[in-house]
Amino acid sequence: GEQVEQRPPHLSVREGDSAFITCTYTDPNSYYFFWYKQEPGASLQLLMKVFSSTEINEGQGFTVLLNKKDTRLSLNLTAAHPGDSAAYFCAVSASSGSWQLIFGSGTQLTVMP
Amino acid sequence: EAAVTQSPRNKVAVTGGKVTLSCNQTNNHNNMYWYRQDTGHGLRLIHYSYGAGSTEKGDIPDGYKASRPSQENFSLILELATPSQTSVYFCASGDGTGYAEQFFGPGTRLTVL
Repeated sequence: GEQVEQRPPHLSVREGDSAFITCTYTDPNSYYFFWYKQEPGASLQLLMKVFSSTEINEGQGFTVLLNKKDTRLSLNLTAAHPGDSAAYFCAVSASSGSWQLIFGSGTQLTVMP
Repeated sequence: EAAVTQSPRNKVAVTGGKVTLSCNQTNNHNNMYWYRQDTGHGLRLIHYSYGAGSTEKGDIPDGYKASRPSQENFSLILELATPSQTSVYFCASGDGTGYAEQFFGPGTRLTVL
């Protein structure tokens, strides 16, 4: 079945720098992708959902890139600030009836003032 | 506003005891999911359900049972709790389509002594 590898597990950047997180997935037929943010002690909040038909998606302060050829999904937080400090998880919707989410192992991001 | 609630929020159990974690959703979603979150593993799917009366095994079902008595409620049952089941458990709901995100509850921190 689908497997998702997320890198790096830990990332520390200075305020104003970019933070880049990458996930690679194994099923080339996967079509729906998600990024979740989890603040300390809290639940998961959806950051963005990405459809395979769109390769670049922009949100407030971040960009999501989808490279279908390399089966790679990336999150780039531009001009990170301390409020971005959290765990970030990518997830791929399984191309089967359950539509279960296959999660990456997460990236703990720390943004230093 | 989508709402998924879980109870209890924290639980300490003894080895061999029975533990029931409860989840309620007011989203009127067909699908519900139980995940556990452990450091270095992201979220892993234990059981899921397509609707009232339905339960399906996820990726790591051993040692867990699930019950979906109604559209709104989904329980996770540990009949004989073991220390290896110490974890944070998240419930989620989704409308059963691949492009729709899952909405997560606040989590239950379970410690098995």
